[in-house]
Amino acid sequence: NAGVTQTPKFQVLKTGQSMTLQCAQDMNHEYMSWYRQDPGMGLRLIHYSVGAGITDQGEVPNGYNVSRSTTEDFPLRLLSAAPSQTSVYFCASSYSGRGPLGEQFFGPGTRLTVL
Amino acid sequence: QQQVKQSPQSLIVQKGGISIINCAYENTAFDYFPWYQQFPGKGPALLIAIRPDVSEKKEGRFTISFNKSAKQFSLHIMDSQPGDSATYFCAAGSSDNTNAGKSTFGDGTTLTVKP
Repeated sequence: NAGVTQTPKFQVLKTGQSMTLQCAQDMNHEYMSWYRQDPGMGLRLIHYSVGAGITDQGEVPNGYNVSRSTTEDFPLRLLSAAPSQTSVYFCASSYSGRGPLGEQFFGPGTRLTVL
Repeated sequence: QQQVKQSPQSLIVQKGGISIINCAYENTAFDYFPWYQQFPGKGPALLIAIRPDVSEKKEGRFTISFNKSAKQFSLHIMDSQPGDSATYFCAAGSSDNTNAGKSTFGDGTTLTVKP
């Protein structure tokens, strides 16, 4: 059981380049989220999915796209990278069943630098 | 408008002391209040969580105190240890189907426990 995995761990982009951050979970969780973490600003929600084929915008969605074709995968696409997107990106998943509803399991993060 | 306000931003405590981190929320629809612990280079991990039907929850050295009328909750770390040195995030979420698994985070508190 690998939990939530993210690739790559580190990435450097030039302004205007595009890329996809990968996220996968093997816990059969319905809910998956992408956050960005900036110094002193906590975790801010970028996009969110409650199941395959369903996505929604979070607090800071501009410049990012997501899709959810399977339960396991939730990739985050940067369409045209900007220096303001330099951040650490975390993917998280949670399940909808009874128990600690809302507990999120986080991946190890992707540290992205845009030059 | 920040929905979850966390203080202090940083905290230094001597080994064996008590660490206290406070959070306040605004949205009365929140009904799930987790605390996450994050070590450098790692993703956040759930530490302890509380629902508003109880005023206190204790797990080992970690206690959440919850004041529904004041819309405040706090984390107490008793007998703080150097290994507790990390960044702590409070969060708030709603268990309705639309928002389950989607939390709003505070800005984080960096705790340093001196030996």
